[in-house]
Amino acid sequence: GEEVAQTPKHLVRGEGQKAKLYCAPIKGHSYVFWYQQVLKNEFKFLISFQNENVFDETGMPKERFSAKCLPNSPCSLEIQATKLEDSAVYFCASSPPLLLEQYFGPGTRLTVT
Amino acid sequence: AQSVTQLDSHVSVSEGTPVLLRCNYSSSYSPSLFWYVQHPNKGLQLLLKYTSAATLVKGINGFEAEFKKSETSFHLTKPSAHMSDAAEYFCVVSDYSSASKIIFGSGTRLSIRP
Repeated sequence: GEEVAQTPKHLVRGEGQKAKLYCAPIKGHSYVFWYQQVLKNEFKFLISFQNENVFDETGMPKERFSAKCLPNSPCSLEIQATKLEDSAVYFCASSPPLLLEQYFGPGTRLTVT
Repeated sequence: AQSVTQLDSHVSVSEGTPVLLRCNYSSSYSPSLFWYVQHPNKGLQLLLKYTSAATLVKGINGFEAEFKKSETSFHLTKPSAHMSDAAEYFCVVSDYSSASKIIFGSGTRLSIRP
């Protein structure tokens, strides 16, 4: 598609439950990025993929977060055993092969109660 | 290491007057610079980008920005503000030489007075 698609728009989980977020990049884009916006103006980089391979995972919390980009499937970000501090808006972005600008999806708002 | 500083957390202008949102950057390499806009409860939309071509970059909705290497600045301007411009604006830097992640500024909230 021509836009980055993210599902669901909103996700509510009880503390300790699993959360799984999905991202479909723009067709033809090779790179996918995940960001966490906790406070209104703070974006934290989590992980990036080049096609199905992890490109940079320096921002990923090691213990509870995992992500995948498999061929012919939406990319996913999974949080095992969610905590209150995981409440945030999670943005996915994709970038063409030359790695110039990133195009962002509308985000998934995760609320952990 | 890269960093980006947005000098104003909040800018308020009257409708029809010019807009100036200031951004300074620091990068070890030749940077790529971007401005994104985020309307309330919405995602990020790319306004414009600088990637080592022309230093004056024109974007969507009448916005433009000028890359000034000597001042390490990339300020965003618009000649005449519209009510629909009210939003949060983020200046972003990336050099892509080390990692693919981009660095966000802290954002500037633009308010438009009728």
